[in-house]
Amino acid sequence: KQEVTQIPAALSVPEGENLVLNCSFTDSAIYNLQWFRQDPGKGLTSLLLIQSSQREQTSGRLNASLDKSSGRSTLYIAASQPGDSATYLCAPRSYGQNFVFGPGTRLSVLP
Amino acid sequence: GAGVSQTPSNKVTEKGKYVELRCDPISGHTALYWYRQSLGQGPEFLIYFQGTGAADDSGLPNDRFFAVRPEGSVSTLKIQRTERGDSAVYLCASSTRVAGGYNEQFFGPGTRLTVL
Repeated sequence: KQEVTQIPAALSVPEGENLVLNCSFTDSAIYNLQWFRQDPGKGLTSLLLIQSSQREQTSGRLNASLDKSSGRSTLYIAASQPGDSATYLCAPRSYGQNFVFGPGTRLSVLP
Repeated sequence: GAGVSQTPSNKVTEKGKYVELRCDPISGHTALYWYRQSLGQGPEFLIYFQGTGAADDSGLPNDRFFAVRPEGSVSTLKIQRTERGDSAVYLCASSTRVAGGYNEQFFGPGTRLTVL
């Protein structure tokens, strides 16, 4: 059964910093992995989807990498802004199974 | 609409009552998912539909929970004899399907269920 952890659980940084959020999963036989952000009281917004054959995906200031063999994915946020404050969730999808979500990293970017 | 919609946005009910939560996926999305999210945790998978059929209902916690998608579009999650522990945000997501797998999921805003 897939288990997902995310480190750190919470992070507070000043505006402008580059930062890395980590996601680890136990079953490396994944089909893809998706990163989401969730604002308080809201649903999830898709950020990036990485297929198992890919090493990384980029969207604007966001870059997600995937290392299947080590069961890790990282989300890199460049030049952080207060609007980036949210909870970030990763969700790998194993073959024959559905997405399993990590507990999330709660990010606060201070102006 | 352009995105996944869920109704109601909030539902307060009394213990023992029956509730229905509705999800309207993105047009053309054949895959539909229900999740439950408790405070401070990531979403927990409940059930997945491919078309009209439940392809995986392994996440439903017990037989009080049931979901349908009769025409392959709108889905209804039904909870009988609600308990206080059922209180959570219920999220719905949809995606398209490609050969050998699935594309990214798009989520609705959720229904906050409170059982008193």
